[in-house]
Amino acid sequence: GAVVSQHPSWVICKSGTSVKIECRSLDFQATTMFWYRQFPKQSLMLMATSNEGSKATYEQGVEKDKFLINHASLTLSTLTVTSAHPEDSSFYICSARGLLVYEQYFGPGTRLTVT
Amino acid sequence: AQTVTQSQPEMSVQEAETVTLSCTYDTSESDYYLFWYKQPPSRQMILVIRQEAYKQQNATENRFSVNFQKAAKSFSLKISDSQLGDAAMYFCAYRSAITGNQFYFGTGTSLTVIP
Repeated sequence: GAVVSQHPSWVICKSGTSVKIECRSLDFQATTMFWYRQFPKQSLMLMATSNEGSKATYEQGVEKDKFLINHASLTLSTLTVTSAHPEDSSFYICSARGLLVYEQYFGPGTRLTVT
Repeated sequence: AQTVTQSQPEMSVQEAETVTLSCTYDTSESDYYLFWYKQPPSRQMILVIRQEAYKQQNATENRFSVNFQKAAKSFSLKISDSQLGDAAMYFCAYRSAITGNQFYFGTGTSLTVIP
């Protein structure tokens, strides 16, 4: 099946700094990728939908200036958490839409800890 | 927006026994997809089973089967011959076949398998 990777798997950063998380579709082209946030023992919360070559669509309540999403190619989307604060500490998961409308392939997630 | 409800935050089952996880959803659409995803401690989301709303026949994947009741908007997952490796969070999800890209996730059910 299709594989989606995320890098890094775990990152620790200091408050006020920025951190970038990469999401790659390894063996297929993904025109659409999704970014989710998951708090412990909670469900996935969709943050934004990114389409290759265009601006991301953010869900209500998600600060677009804080969570910068770039989908510059058909295999790579990045999420940059700017001026990170401890409350941004969470598990971030990306997924990529497959060729068929019901296909969604998830990355393994990135654990962000802001100290 | 569509809502997906999982009313059982936690469930437990004896190894080799059968367990059923509940899911209900709310939609005005007639064409959609329903999914069960498994999230083990590794946090990697794994697709367990998919059901197309236009199909009356319940989907089955080895030990996993669903009871899809379209009129009642119910979509339960039955795990037969439970194994220790089935222990995980299970998320029910909905995706429209017509509008948008978004997957709507339920709040999850934590399944414990007792040896």
